Amino acid sequence: AQKITQTQPGMFVQEKEAVTLDCTYDTSDQSYGLFWYKQPSSGEMIFLIYQGSYDEQNATEGRYSLNFQKARKSANLVISASQLGDSAMYFCAMREGGGTSYGKLTFGQGTILTVHP
Amino acid sequence: DTEVTQTPKHLVMGMTNKKSLKCEQHMGHRAMYWYKQKAKKPPELMFVYSYEKLSINESVPSRFSPECPNSSLLNLHLHALQPEDSALYLCASSQAWRGGNQPQHFGDGTRLSIL
Repeated sequence: AQKITQTQPGMFVQEKEAVTLDCTYDTSDQSYGLFWYKQPSSGEMIFLIYQGSYDEQNATEGRYSLNFQKARKSANLVISASQLGDSAMYFCAMREGGGTSYGKLTFGQGTILTVHP
Repeated sequence: DTEVTQTPKHLVMGMTNKKSLKCEQHMGHRAMYWYKQKAKKPPELMFVYSYEKLSINESVPSRFSPECPNSSLLNLHLHALQPEDSALYLCASSQAWRGGNQPQHFGDGTRLSIL
């Protein structure tokens, strides 16, 4: 079973509008971390935002916020006021706190976001 | 600019060649990683070094040989590669291998093509 699921292969948004990228995860660990990365066509993976499993508040970093719903095991990325430079592949990733995957980052399949002017 | 520097950015090599990929970070991180990424797919972990010791080898073929000469440098030596090894190779670093909230910081990658 996939540990990280991103159900949207591609998303389109108009410039200046907000967009939500979906991510659901599966783990039996109590301690885990969730990360979002952006990968432009140039190749670099850019860290955007982190949410810990024990964090009570949703993480925010500038225009990025993470809608963390622990009971539903979802960690959706919200990008407000989209910009043309936001066009990229976005990966959700999880680091588990124990078990055979301890320490490893497990990535979802990614969502390609295209921002239209 | 990324704080993890990878060279070269592009590499084309024949199946009999020997080449090396280089990765450097000066953030004082003690964990370094090699990933392989095919187009439109997520990165796949290859190796993890923690405190300059190999901690994880994800059953990578021996034609890929990692080396960590010091805490700032990570190399990936390539020999007798196959066409299916053509991919983007990403290096990453983090403060610790199992530090819960520490993100991995990635370089720009090396685009490798095997003829």
